[in-house]
Order: sequence, then C-alpha cells, then structure tokens
Amino acid sequence: GAVVSQHPSWVICKSGTSVKIECRSLDFQATTMFWYRQFPKQSLMLMATSNEGSKATYEQGVEKDKFLINHASLTLSTLTVTSAHPEDSSFYICSGRAGAIDEQYFGPGTRLTVT
Amino acid sequence: GESVGLHLPTLSVQEGDNSIINCAYSNSASDYFIWYKQESGKGPQFIIDIRSNMDKRQGQRVTVLLNKTVKHLSLQIAATQPGDSAVYFCAENRNQAGTALIFGKGTTLSVSS
Repeated sequence: GAVVSQHPSWVICKSGTSVKIECRSLDFQATTMFWYRQFPKQSLMLMATSNEGSKATYEQGVEKDKFLINHASLTLSTLTVTSAHPEDSSFYICSGRAGAIDEQYFGPGTRLTVT
Repeated sequence: GESVGLHLPTLSVQEGDNSIINCAYSNSASDYFIWYKQESGKGPQFIIDIRSNMDKRQGQRVTVLLNKTVKHLSLQIAATQPGDSAVYFCAENRNQAGTALIFGKGTTLSVSS
C-alpha cells in the first residue's frame, strides 16, 4: 500500500516558538494532502485540505495564520505551528490522496508537546 | 453540524469472541465508508472499506455491513484476538470531489485473553 511518512514523530517546544512538521508521500504523488489534529481520547478532526500548488482550505475554527500549510510539491506538505501554546499540544496526523480516488493514506502522526 | 458518530465508546470482549462495532452517519449523500484501526500513538490503519452501492463486504476476519436505510455501518471482527485491541473509527467521504474523510468518535475495543 501507499506510504506516508511524517517528521518528526514527536517534538517538544517552548511556548511562543514555532515548529514545522513534514508530511511526505513516499511511493505516490499526493495531489491532495490533509492535516488532522487529535486530542487525547478524541477523534481525528480535520484542520485543512491542501492541493499541490494552491493555498490550503482551512476548516472553521482553525486559524490559518497560526497553522501555516505549504504543499509545494506532490510528495511534500508541511504544517508550521506558529507561536505555539500549550493548548496546541496534540497529535497531528497528515494524509495524502492520489488524484480522484477516495482512499486517503495516513501518516504515523507527530506528537507535539508545548511547554 | 452533520457528523459520523459511534454508538458505544468502549467494547470489551474475550479472546475468540466475535466483535461488532457500530457507527451511525447522518449524511445520506455519503458514498464511501472506511473503517480504521488506531493503536496508541500511531496513525489510523486501513481495515476495510465499502461503497454505497454495496451492503456487505468481507475481508480477512472482518466484515463491514452498510444499511443505507437507517444510515448505519458496522464492523464485525471474527475470532477477536488481543492484537485487535485498539480504537476503531468509521469515516465517511461525502461524495464531493476533493473532500476529506470525516471521522466518527471512535470505539475502544479491549480484548482479554
């Protein structure tokens, strides 16, 4: 099956700093990538949808200036959490979709802890 | 707003039993459904999918049933094993090009031996 990787797998940062999370599709071209956030014992909540070469579309309630998404190539999307605060601590999961197929291939997630 | 939800947050079974995990969805326009398994600290793992033109699909030890009349989806796991212990999510694709999968709340399956 298609493989998606994320880097780093976990990161600890201080409040007020920015952190970048990378999402890569290793064996397919992801024309669309999605970013989800998951708080403990909760479901995955969609944050944004990103098409290669276009600006990301953010879900209601997600601050686009705080969560910067870049999808500059068909195999790489990045999520930058700017001026992170402890409430941004969460599990961030990306997924990629190739073309018009329905299935999304999920990455292993990145655990962000803001102290 | 509309969402995909699950009836039970937890399910405990004995090893060897069959497990049934349920999911209710609200968007009748959804045409593609997937069950995912998520282990602690990991991303979702695809289990099985089904399209709205089907009412049943079988995989290895798993079966997904879709009842469009009552907007209900279920995952049946045969001969449940301790390794099946995880959180299970149903997700739907709302039949719109480019849209993301929307996840339900999740059911935690605990298998005791």
